[in-house]
Amino acid sequence: DQQVKQNSPSLSVQEGRISILNCDYTNSMFDYFLWYKKYPAEGPTFLISISSIKDKNEDGRFTVFLNKSAKHLSLHIVPSQPGDSAVYFCAASGSGTYKYIFGTGTRLKVLA
Amino acid sequence: EAQVTQNPRYLITVTGKKLTVTCSQNMNHEYMSWYRQDPGLGLRQIYYSMNVEVTDKGDVPEGYKVSRKEKRNFPLILESPSPNQTSLYFCASGPALTEAFFGQGTRLTVV
Repeated sequence: DQQVKQNSPSLSVQEGRISILNCDYTNSMFDYFLWYKKYPAEGPTFLISISSIKDKNEDGRFTVFLNKSAKHLSLHIVPSQPGDSAVYFCAASGSGTYKYIFGTGTRLKVLA
Repeated sequence: EAQVTQNPRYLITVTGKKLTVTCSQNMNHEYMSWYRQDPGLGLRQIYYSMNVEVTDKGDVPEGYKVSRKEKRNFPLILESPSPNQTSLYFCASGPALTEAFFGQGTRLTVV
């Protein structure tokens, strides 16, 4: 049973517009969430994180929103750039653990 | 330069032949972990380590072993590889319970 789900395998967005990537989780014990970006033939790179005591975290063009009651988080990229084209993974962990559960990823394509 | 180094990058082996994939980090991180990436399944954690001599199972530990005898190294051992262990493997390290740095990946094929 997938505890962290990214239901959209792919997403295409025009350059300059907003990209919204979604992630749902089922385990209410998760309290720390991360987003990673992955280019082909490279390892994932950390983008942004959020702990369950917050509902929003911003870092430049990237904002993560957390809705605990809906067990849903989203990553907003504004404005989207062609270099953002990659696979994005969300991940979750429970308090005090080093055990991370990843989603299956969403492939974002930003069209110039 | 801060980095996580995995070796080898590519490996083709035969069923049952023991192999080790090495992972080394130069950032003095306590936390290290191994993941495998498979199509449609995303990244799944195999084992992780919170410090020297402290390791624990992730989601998919069957068929794998790890050791953490020193802080910088965290090798992944496949005692008797099978074709279902054909995958792309990533090692990661991080400062305690925060975001991790990933290696470049090791593509393993077991025939």
